[in-house]
Amino acid sequence: EAQVTQNPRYLITVTGKKLTVTCSQNMNHEYMSWYRQDPGLGLRQIYYSMNVEVTDKGDVPEGYKVSRKEKRNFPLILESPSPNQTSLYFCASRPPSGGASEQFFGPGTRLTVL
Amino acid sequence: SQKIEQNSEALNIQEGKTATLTCNYTNYSPAYLQWYRQDPGRGPVFLLLIRENEKEKRKERLKVTFDTTLKQSLFHITASQPADSATYLCALGGYNKLIFGAGTRLAVHP
Repeated sequence: EAQVTQNPRYLITVTGKKLTVTCSQNMNHEYMSWYRQDPGLGLRQIYYSMNVEVTDKGDVPEGYKVSRKEKRNFPLILESPSPNQTSLYFCASRPPSGGASEQFFGPGTRLTVL
Repeated sequence: SQKIEQNSEALNIQEGKTATLTCNYTNYSPAYLQWYRQDPGRGPVFLLLIRENEKEKRKERLKVTFDTTLKQSLFHITASQPADSATYLCALGGYNKLIFGAGTRLAVHP
């Protein structure tokens, strides 16, 4: 089944404790992206990647890091999480046929930083 | 900066009626616009795409219009069903990114 998977689905952590949220897709998509979703603000892009070893900042990159060493994986790293990073996070990918392609979203990771 | 507005209030309609959701935007000239459906606790699911040179797109009971002069898209669900209850997101597209609205929650009552 074609899908985007994320782990963990739920995470409660404390301020300053480094964490990684994994994202993997099995559709051979070149483009992958991370979003956060907060009430009333919609989905905001954190980082995106056009291909392996090619990443770029989205609209809200502060406090986050990403890496793209393999085509299928795009982990999101929070080196020193803070309470304002409490949010619902989504990973997405799309086919390489151009920007107008639909994005496929993962199931989401609900992160709480105490 | 770019701004997308979708009705923040929930839209309540009766089963069988047509639901119409609005997406307005400013300070942007998107090459295309997409609509997604999001159920509670789940990731958005793509529904329709309409390009800047298209006025209207249809898919089964769904219809999307795109007016680049008014900077507005309308999303219609005809013969609505309780199963259509969800939050609907519009997204403006450029080369490498999508800019999402906050979504409108639709509730279809039997």
